[in-house]
Amino acid sequence: AQSVTQLGSHVSVSEGALVLLRCNYSSSVPPYLFWYVQYPNQGLQLLLKYTTGATLVKGINGFEAEFKKSETSFHLTKPSAHMSDAAEYFCAVRTGGGNKLTFGTGTQLKVEL
Amino acid sequence: DVKVTQSSRYLVKRTGEKVFLECVQDMDHENMFWYRQDPGLGLRLIYFSYDVKMKEKGDIPEGYSVSREKKERFSLILESASTNQTSMYLCASSSTGTRSAYEQYFGPGTRLTVT
Repeated sequence: AQSVTQLGSHVSVSEGALVLLRCNYSSSVPPYLFWYVQYPNQGLQLLLKYTTGATLVKGINGFEAEFKKSETSFHLTKPSAHMSDAAEYFCAVRTGGGNKLTFGTGTQLKVEL
Repeated sequence: DVKVTQSSRYLVKRTGEKVFLECVQDMDHENMFWYRQDPGLGLRLIYFSYDVKMKEKGDIPEGYSVSREKKERFSLILESASTNQTSMYLCASSSTGTRSAYEQYFGPGTRLTVT
């Protein structure tokens, strides 16, 4: 079975500081991994995804994530946080057939001045 | 751009009422999904559909049913709403195509309150 664990339900950083949101996965098949962002009162928006190939994946808004098979991790980073990055972030892994995804429980990112 | 729309952003219903949540996508996607989102629990799959009139149960189907009569439209039905179904409901769609496999596009959500 596939599963996702997001460490830290709340993360707080200062504006301009490094953002690091952690995601570990479990998958019995080669993983397809995703990060989504949800701004208040909105649906989820795809930030980036890893399917095959290059393990460092760049996404929108300056975010990137690195697939590390040996660590079963797909952590999301951004070198310099901006106030507009405050949102909830979800990691997801593909789940068997039917194009389904299994989502983590989410990490709320707070950016402080 | 893919657009997924949901019929209501906010909905208030009484216990026992039958509730319909509608979702429409405009990108000819084969797959459509209904999730509920609760604080600390993330997104949980209620039902999904991979073709017209086809549906499969997700992780938490109890108390819900779905209907997909047309490719672009996927409806979630609460036969008899209960207070524990108060939640945010998110609809999503995806293509079966290889390039965008598993990539889901979400609607803005419907916040349902059952009193």
